[in-house]
Amino acid sequence: QSALTQPASVSGSPGQSITISCTGTSSDIGNYKYVSWYQQHPGKAPKLMIYDVSDRPSGVSNRFSGSKSGNTASLTISGLQAEDEADYYCSSYTSSNTVVFGGGTKLTVL
Amino acid sequence: EVQLLESGGGLVQPGGSLRLSCAASGFTFISYAMSWVRQAPGKGLEWVSAISGSGGSTYYADSVKGRFTISRDNSRNTLYLQMNSLRVEDTAVYYCARARSAWHRGVDYWGQGTLVTASS
Repeated sequence: QSALTQPASVSGSPGQSITISCTGTSSDIGNYKYVSWYQQHPGKAPKLMIYDVSDRPSGVSNRFSGSKSGNTASLTISGLQAEDEADYYCSSYTSSNTVVFGGGTKLTVL
Repeated sequence: EVQLLESGGGLVQPGGSLRLSCAASGFTFISYAMSWVRQAPGKGLEWVSAISGSGGSTYYADSVKGRFTISRDNSRNTLYLQMNSLRVEDTAVYYCARARSAWHRGVDYWGQGTLVTASS
């Protein structure tokens, strides 16, 4: 199972919105509504930000939103803040009855 | 408060074995599927394995199938990962994580991780 494809890096200024893409295939993202997004700060464990494509766990800011179109899922962060600077990973359930992660995207807040 | 505490990591020679443990507290352990996720130094996350709440169903990444075994002891609120035939490429921080609902629909709590180093 190949990893999902994410851009290596994205950047934005405080207050702006950014979108991170996550591209898979019809064997994972394209066929299931089980996409999750995680935020990871350096030296810390990941944190769940989005599950089931677009749902937010309680306590996660509504500045974070998720969506999916075809084989590509997206994470949008609006009103960018300094503390959003981190690595972001997507994951999806697959038709092989496994879970696959994306390679990760480093978000820099300028 | 949900807590997951991994232990058992360390240095092992290629071809060797290691068993990781994850002590869970703050929730009804048997009600939740659990997963192991690893992260090689400076690299991204990789899903390793998952197990249902009862322990009756297990799932593995192709990269570890046949070498790693996930199990749980619900009487001790503990998750395990038995790792055999370790390879250099298995070197990583191993995280124990609780499934939010079904095992494949995201994990909502993570441990702090335990480092496994396979090297001669």
